[in-house]
Amino acid sequence: NAGVMQNPRHLVRRRGQEARLRCSPMKGHSHVYWYRQLPEEGLKFMVYLQKENIIDESGMPKERFSAEFPKEGPSILRIQQVVRGDSAAYFCASSQDRRNTGELFFGEGSRLTVL
Amino acid sequence: KQEVTQIPAALSVPEGENLVLNCSFTDSAIYNLQWFRQDPGKGLTSLLLIQSSQREQTSGRLNASLDKSSGRSTLYIAASQPGDSATYLCAVTGGGNKLTFGTGTQLKVEL
Repeated sequence: NAGVMQNPRHLVRRRGQEARLRCSPMKGHSHVYWYRQLPEEGLKFMVYLQKENIIDESGMPKERFSAEFPKEGPSILRIQQVVRGDSAAYFCASSQDRRNTGELFFGEGSRLTVL
Repeated sequence: KQEVTQIPAALSVPEGENLVLNCSFTDSAIYNLQWFRQDPGKGLTSLLLIQSSQREQTSGRLNASLDKSSGRSTLYIAASQPGDSATYLCAVTGGGNKLTFGTGTQLKVEL
């Protein structure tokens, strides 16, 4: 049973370009969470999605960031017109249901560097 | 708004030493508290999860305690080894299965 798969593991973009980060949850999991880890900071919640629905996007920046989790395929975190401050590690986690168990399985992260 | 603080930010100890990592949180309305390990360039590995009704959990050389009313948790590592070197993160679970993380303690165990 493969774990949470994220790709790319490393991504370099120039200012103004777009970044797309993908996350395939564990088999059987239909709940996906995105977290961002800025340098020297803890992980911060960004968004929680279930298939075809955004459940909680309270941690998403208001502009340039969007997330989706289509019926088929991976969840995608999209960052438009990247700026240097977007450089961070973006982690995806999945869970089987939405009970408040804290039992999230994390991927190894996608590390975005904006030049 | 929940805030989680971890002390110390970094710790260096000789091999074999017992050590304690501290975590505090401001809102006691949590479902559980979890300790993770993060290796450089890697994801997070859950070490111990303590339900809000529990006081402690143990796994091998690790013991985590929870005092929900005072908003504190400790992670005790016995007989530390170089392989324990990593960043240790504390996280509390709030509504919506949302985790709030501390900034971590970077541990180095030296030979």
